[in-house]
Amino acid sequence: DIQMTQSPSSLAASVGDRVTISCRASQGVNNYLNWYQHRPGKAPKLLIYAASSLQSGVPSRFSGSGSGTDFTLTISSLQPEDFATYFCQQTYNTPQTFGQGTKVEI
Amino acid sequence: EVQLVESGGGLVHPGGSLRLSCEASGFTFSYYAMHWVRQSPGRGLQHLSYISSDGYRTYYIDSVRGRFTISRDNSKNTLYLQMGGLREEDMGVYFCARDPGDYISRGDLWGQGTLVTVS
Repeated sequence: DIQMTQSPSSLAASVGDRVTISCRASQGVNNYLNWYQHRPGKAPKLLIYAASSLQSGVPSRFSGSGSGTDFTLTISSLQPEDFATYFCQQTYNTPQTFGQGTKVEI
Repeated sequence: EVQLVESGGGLVHPGGSLRLSCEASGFTFSYYAMHWVRQSPGRGLQHLSYISSDGYRTYYIDSVRGRFTISRDNSKNTLYLQMGGLREEDMGVYFCARDPGDYISRGDLWGQGTLVTVS
């Protein structure tokens, strides 16, 4: 199975901050990499797919980059509604696998 | 409203069975492949199973293959997960997710989940 490792596991930030979350795959996944946001008790929300494509309806402050094994999710200016846990997911190979999550706290 | 709503979770004894449902609304269910994903404290998010839009192709991870069965009824806009031989490690919140089924697999719409407790 492809292991997905996110860093950091958690971070504290303020409204307006630029936030960067990393995701590393144990082997190359081309650009088959998705990012999700999950707030407690809510449905997970797709932010970025194919490493860098912004999902329809997602604010442009979210962006993704990377290819192969190293990927980054960037929030350019953190908003109050962005405090949540973020997950990466590879869909290059079965089983699809997720990172362990990065919790963004105030 | 475009949404997915899971139901059917609950408390079950080890070895027991449970059927989860995921009802779709606000979109053409038969156009989309679907997934079941589990979130548990010990394992984080885990993709469990997939079914193609027409129901002819399915996939299971090794740990549930032979115990879980994914199915769908496009006439009822509903996805199912029949779970048997339940173990404590099957505990968690079960999400269904919609997949556009184009060049890259992804969950572009998720439900809020249903909790399964095995004890």
